[in-house]
Amino acid sequence: EAQVTQNPRYLITVTGKKLTVTCSQNMNHEYMSWYRQDPGLGLRQIYYSMNVEVTDKGDVPEGYKVSRKEKRNFPLILESPSPNQTSLYFCASSFREGPSEQYFGPGTRLTVT
Amino acid sequence: LAKTTQPISMDSYEGQEVNITCSHNNIATNDYITWYQQFPSQGPRFIIQGYKTKVTNEVASLFIPADRKSSTLSLPRVSLSDTAVYYCLVKARNTPLVFGKGTRLSVIA
Repeated sequence: EAQVTQNPRYLITVTGKKLTVTCSQNMNHEYMSWYRQDPGLGLRQIYYSMNVEVTDKGDVPEGYKVSRKEKRNFPLILESPSPNQTSLYFCASSFREGPSEQYFGPGTRLTVT
Repeated sequence: LAKTTQPISMDSYEGQEVNITCSHNNIATNDYITWYQQFPSQGPRFIIQGYKTKVTNEVASLFIPADRKSSTLSLPRVSLSDTAVYYCLVKARNTPLVFGKGTRLSVIA
């Protein structure tokens, strides 16, 4: 089954404790991205990757890191999480960058206390 | 980046056709228009995409006038399960996918 998976689905952590949210897709997609969704603000793109070893900032990259060492995986790293990073995070992938259908993962709800 | 404007919310009765219009006055020549649907606590789901005129798939139709400054998503005979937030996006190559606040559609029995 074609899908984007994220882990963990739920995470409660404390300020400053490094964490990684994993994202994996099984569709051989070149393009992957991370979004955060907050009430009243909609979905905002954090980082995106056009292909292996090619990443770039989205609209709200501060406080986040990503890597793309393999085509299927695109982890989101929070080196020192803060409470303002409490949010619902979505990973997405598509065959290529540009006008093509993006497939979204089920989301990761992160709470930073 | 082209900015989109769509109604914040809409209500409809089951079985009716729903049309959600999105304006994108500064759409560029290479931009495509894409619509996504999102249920609470789920990731957005692609509905339909077009460049001009009319596109139809098994779920919806998308109408784009010649000037491309607006587009209308048409959902035929909605049901309660169509209650969701609908996002209109304008996208060109090498630009991020920007989601606005979307239109919250409530379908009433």
